[in-house]
Amino acid sequence: EAQVTQNPRYLITVTGKKLTVTCSQNMNHEYMSWYRQDPGLGLRQIYYSMNVEVTDKGDVPEGYKVSRKEKRNFPLILESPSPNQTSLYFCASSLSGRFNEKLFFGSGTQLSVL
Amino acid sequence: AQSVTQLGSHVSVSEGALVLLRCNYSSSVPPYLFWYVQYPNQGLQLLLKYTTGATLVKGINGFEAEFKKSETSFHLTKPSAHMSDAAEYFCAVTYNNNDMRFGAGTRLTVKP
Repeated sequence: EAQVTQNPRYLITVTGKKLTVTCSQNMNHEYMSWYRQDPGLGLRQIYYSMNVEVTDKGDVPEGYKVSRKEKRNFPLILESPSPNQTSLYFCASSLSGRFNEKLFFGSGTQLSVL
Repeated sequence: AQSVTQLGSHVSVSEGALVLLRCNYSSSVPPYLFWYVQYPNQGLQLLLKYTTGATLVKGINGFEAEFKKSETSFHLTKPSAHMSDAAEYFCAVTYNNNDMRFGAGTRLTVKP
């Protein structure tokens, strides 16, 4: 089954403790992206990647890192999480990142930073 | 900068009633427009999209949307609401490869 898999679904951590949220897709998509969803703000893009070893900042990249060493994986790294990074995070992918392609979304990761 | 405005963060309708979710965009160039739906505890799924061609676009689950350039709108409608339509709906717009902007979302409640 074609899917985007995120782990974990729920994560509670404390300020400053490094964490990684994993994202993997099995559709051989070139384009992958991370969003955060906050009430009243919709989805905002954190980082995106057009292909292996190619990443770029979205609208809200501060406090986040990403890497794209393999085509299927696009982990999101929070080196020193802070409470304002408490949010619902989604990974998404599409075939090549063209404007008319639909995005496939993972089921989300609810992160709470205490 | 491009932006998307969804009027009404919450919409409540009775089962069988018309669903109308509003979306307006701001841009001077032709947009590509999308509606996504998010069911509880799930990621977003594409409902429908407008890129070029016919301005009335039909999507899954009986939803449709009409691109109106003169009104800079892309409202989502469904003639008869079903309980299973209860979800959050997001309008999105893009003009190039990487910059898809989402609206703040509209939560649809369907009353029996």
